Amino acid sequence: DIQLTQSPSFVSASIGDRVTITCRASQGFNSFFAWYRQKPGKAPEFLISGAPSFQSGVPSRFSASASGTEITFTISSLQPEDFATYFCQHGYSYPRVTFGPGTKVDMK
Amino acid sequence: EVQLVQSGGEVVRPGGSLRLSCEGSGFTFTNFEMNWVRQAPGKGLEWISYIDSSGSTIFIADSLRGRFTVSRDNAKTSLYLQVNHLRVEDSAIYYCARIVSGPPYYYMDVWGGGTTVIVSS
Repeated sequence: DIQLTQSPSFVSASIGDRVTITCRASQGFNSFFAWYRQKPGKAPEFLISGAPSFQSGVPSRFSASASGTEITFTISSLQPEDFATYFCQHGYSYPRVTFGPGTKVDMK
Repeated sequence: EVQLVQSGGEVVRPGGSLRLSCEGSGFTFTNFEMNWVRQAPGKGLEWISYIDSSGSTIFIADSLRGRFTVSRDNAKTSLYLQVNHLRVEDSAIYYCARIVSGPPYYYMDVWGGGTTVIVSS
């Protein structure tokens, strides 16, 4: 089974800050990855994947990249709605899915 | 509006059974593969199952196989999760999610609002 770790597990940040989260896997991602945001008490929502950007309709402040067994997610300028928990997803073992443990972004 | 509306969660005793439902609207349900994902209180996301667009190909997480089954009725634009022999550790919010896939990508772009299962004596 694929194992995922996320770092950091907790981020304290302010509006306008740049936030970067890393997800590491026991097996390479290629482009079979995604990131989700989960606000308290709400369902997860899709943010970005390894698919070509035109398919995703992603707000421009979100970006992601993959290199071997590591994927990086960046919020270029944190907005109020971005205080949430973020999960990475590994889908290389399609259709099985593995999620990372989550990174909570809290207000400084 | 594309949406997935869930129902079926409730409080059930250990050993009991439930059928969770997920109804899609605003899109062509028959064109999409679907996943079930759950989240125990205060925990992360756990993939449960996959079903292809026709319902002919199904995958269940190894730890849940034998107790959980998934099905769909495309005429009713609905997805189902049958959970049997429930255990306390099955207590969670259960989410259905629409899959977007095609090499080289695979992600879940639309999620249901979740339905809560509590297993307690």
